Amino acid sequence: DQQVKQNSPSLSVQEGRISILNCDYTNSMFDYFLWYKKYPAEGPTFLISISSIKDKNEDGRFTVFLNKSAKHLSLHIVPSQPGDSAVYFCAAKRVRGGGADGLTFGKGTHLIIQP
Amino acid sequence: DSGVTQTPKHLITATGQRVTLRCSPRSGDLSVYWYQQSLDQGLQFLIQYYNGEERAKGNILERFSAQQFPDLHSELNLSSLELGDSALYFCASSGEGGTPVYEQYFGPGTRLTVT
Repeated sequence: DQQVKQNSPSLSVQEGRISILNCDYTNSMFDYFLWYKKYPAEGPTFLISISSIKDKNEDGRFTVFLNKSAKHLSLHIVPSQPGDSAVYFCAAKRVRGGGADGLTFGKGTHLIIQP
Repeated sequence: DSGVTQTPKHLITATGQRVTLRCSPRSGDLSVYWYQQSLDQGLQFLIQYYNGEERAKGNILERFSAQQFPDLHSELNLSSLELGDSALYFCASSGEGGTPVYEQYFGPGTRLTVT
């Protein structure tokens, strides 16, 4: 049972335009969400996170939006640059009330930025 | 560079053998996490150690075990290896000085191939 889903295995966006990566979750106990970026032969790199008490968090070109009622989050990258081409993973965890501290990951979306 | 180091980078071994993967967390981080990334399952949380003690278990097989030493480095032991254990194994760390920080920082991974 996949608790974090990224339904688009790949996404192609033109350089300079907005990239929007989507993520859905099923476990209502999740209250902290993270996005990671991964290049081939490297480990995932932390990008941005958001707590469930917020609905938006922004860091430079990256903005994460959280819609708790829909159990949906999205990562916006504006403007998209060639170096953004990578696999993006959505991850979630439960912070309040304890529980396992491991992250639950989606299967990733391969973002391709075209010149 | 995340500050998390893992050795070896690649490991090739035969079925039935035992291997040890090593991880050094970021300076000051007390928590170490192990993840397995396989083609069909994506990134799966295996186990977490906090300051030398096991804190949480995920989808870790009984043939696998881990420990964290007084200098905070960690080792993941995989025994009675099967072909299906071939995967990328990532270590991550978090929580500088025990502060509850939820972002996890990943090492470059160890690619294990079982033949």
